[in-house]
Amino acid sequence: GAGVSQTPSNKVTEKGKYVELRCDPISGHTALYWYRQSLGQGPEFLIYFQGTGAADDSGLPNDRFFAVRPEGSVSTLKIQRTERGDSAVYLCASSPGRGVYNEQFFGPGTRLTVL
Amino acid sequence: LAKTTQPISMDSYEGQEVNITCSHNNIATNDYITWYQQFPSQGPRFIIQGYKTKVTNEVASLFIPADRKSSTLSLPRVSLSDTAVYYCLVGDPSSGGYQKVTFGTGTKLQVIP
Repeated sequence: GAGVSQTPSNKVTEKGKYVELRCDPISGHTALYWYRQSLGQGPEFLIYFQGTGAADDSGLPNDRFFAVRPEGSVSTLKIQRTERGDSAVYLCASSPGRGVYNEQFFGPGTRLTVL
Repeated sequence: LAKTTQPISMDSYEGQEVNITCSHNNIATNDYITWYQQFPSQGPRFIIQGYKTKVTNEVASLFIPADRKSSTLSLPRVSLSDTAVYYCLVGDPSSGGYQKVTFGTGTKLQVIP
């Protein structure tokens, strides 16, 4: 079956621009996560959705970052006024929801480069 | 949230068994231990999860002592394709504890021909 997909796979933008990164989770998965991964580091938690609502957005670094999941499926991570420090791979993961063996299924990521 | 500590890197020859140990001294009663594998330019992939004693699947085994303050991921007879970063995570899936899971820097396993 189809896994988690993310678009675009690569995004190059200029400092100060606005970008949107899209995540299509596995159908039926209620939980969705966004992570950011810098070179040589593990994924860093950004935000977690349970259904349509952001259950925990404590990992968002500042108010330039925002994410939505309006229909409980596709999610969009939005970054305003991008900075060079925002350059990283942005990973999305989905899982069936709460319960034992709540495995997260990751997408391939979007590599964001801010020039 | 339980913090985990694991070696930064390990080398192993092909065909050998590899054991990667993770320390999680402040693991909570309801926490499970999960290991993920990540290849370059890919997202992490779930390997195995356990609560206590031993869990085995077609890929790996997970050994958890009685005090649960550490765990060991065992990869039998590694091949070059097992070269990857391995992450140990601790969290409580039943109450949404995974939403703040911390991957850390992981253990970079290099398999040598």
